[in-house]
Amino acid sequence: NAGVMQNPRHLVRRRGQEARLRCSPMKGHSHVYWYRQLPEEGLKFMVYLQKENIIDESGMPKERFSAEFPKEGPSILRIQQVVRGDSAAYFCASSPTGQPQETQYFGPGTRLLVL
Amino acid sequence: ILNVEQSPQSLHVQEGDSTNFTCSFPSSNFYALHWYRWETAKSPEALFVMTLNGDEKKKGRISATLNTKEGYSYLYIKGSQPEDSATYLCAFWDTDKLIFGTGTRLQVFP
Repeated sequence: NAGVMQNPRHLVRRRGQEARLRCSPMKGHSHVYWYRQLPEEGLKFMVYLQKENIIDESGMPKERFSAEFPKEGPSILRIQQVVRGDSAAYFCASSPTGQPQETQYFGPGTRLLVL
Repeated sequence: ILNVEQSPQSLHVQEGDSTNFTCSFPSSNFYALHWYRWETAKSPEALFVMTLNGDEKKKGRISATLNTKEGYSYLYIKGSQPEDSATYLCAFWDTDKLIFGTGTRLQVFP
């Protein structure tokens, strides 16, 4: 049973470009969470999605950031017109049914560097 | 703003020492507290999910306790080994997501 997969593992973008980060949850998991780790900071919640629905996006910056989890395919975190402050490690996690007592399994992360 | 605090921020111990760290969280609307172990350049790895006041969980030399009434959890490592070196994160369940503390960075010297 493959774990949570994220790609790319490393992404370099110039200011103003778009970044697309992909996350494939564990098999059988329909709940996906995105977290961001800024340099010298902890993990911060960004967005929680179920298939085709955004459940909670309270941690997402209001502009330039969007997320989706289509019926088929991976969840995508999209950052438009990247700025240097977007440089961070982005992790996704998945769980089977989104219950509080369920473990969230993390992917290896995508490290975004904006030049 | 919901606060999850961990202390100490970092800890250096000798191999064989036992150690413990604290996670503090809101004592109201408690559903679950998660502990993770996070090694550099890897992804966070789940250790425990704790849901009931008075819960005690154990995995090898690592154990954790939970007090939901006063809002804290302790993580204990008995006889620390160099391979225990990592950042230990706790996370509080808030409505529909986990709120993480900033972690305790443990370094175990041989």
